[in-house]
Amino acid sequence: DQQVKQNSPSLSVQEGRISILNCDYTNSMFDYFLWYKKYPAEGPTFLISISSIKDKNEDGRFTVFLNKSAKHLSLHIVPSQPGDSAVYFCAASARAGNNRKLIWGLGTSLAVNP
Amino acid sequence: EPEVTQTPSHQVTQMGQEVILRCVPISNHLYFYWYRQILGQKVEFLVSFYNNEISEKSEIFDDQFSVERPDGSNFTLKIRSTKLEDSAMYFCASSAGQRANQETQYFGPGTRLLVL
Repeated sequence: DQQVKQNSPSLSVQEGRISILNCDYTNSMFDYFLWYKKYPAEGPTFLISISSIKDKNEDGRFTVFLNKSAKHLSLHIVPSQPGDSAVYFCAASARAGNNRKLIWGLGTSLAVNP
Repeated sequence: EPEVTQTPSHQVTQMGQEVILRCVPISNHLYFYWYRQILGQKVEFLVSFYNNEISEKSEIFDDQFSVERPDGSNFTLKIRSTKLEDSAMYFCASSAGQRANQETQYFGPGTRLLVL
């Protein structure tokens, strides 16, 4: 099941520069997309989301872009900070009755170097 | 800030034993979920729960699994007879609703289950 793909297992960025994490999906029924950040031995922490009716959502240093025609979304972190070092997961969902199960990518491990 | 809590943080059990993983969702949330992540693999959906019944369950969620909301605060996942392949990190999540801005699922810290 590869409905959500994060093709880069890891990314290394210098502090202060932009981090761009990418995610592709195949299911055109997905209408809600989320990014989560995860530290080892902790649960996923919600970062930012975007509905399919939008193409951009911004929250402080984090911006998510959605390109529906390409079935692609990206998370931009600017400026990157060492505390941003974590695994970032892309997740997507489609409404199905009383259920909004999340389909997850494999994650991208981001290292922000001082 | 409200958060999802899970107990225990770690559980070691013998194959064939029953385990109960406990979760306290965010208090005004209505939708509850269990996910798991086997080491090195994707986070996988197990089950969703709303209005005291299962909304959807995955293929993983077979007859050995059950969920319950025994009172107004707890949400439990029971594995009746554990198998070695049940070893994973189990995450509970909750969301407020289905409308825009209510759909975000918030996750607990997880329970690491090791079946020997």
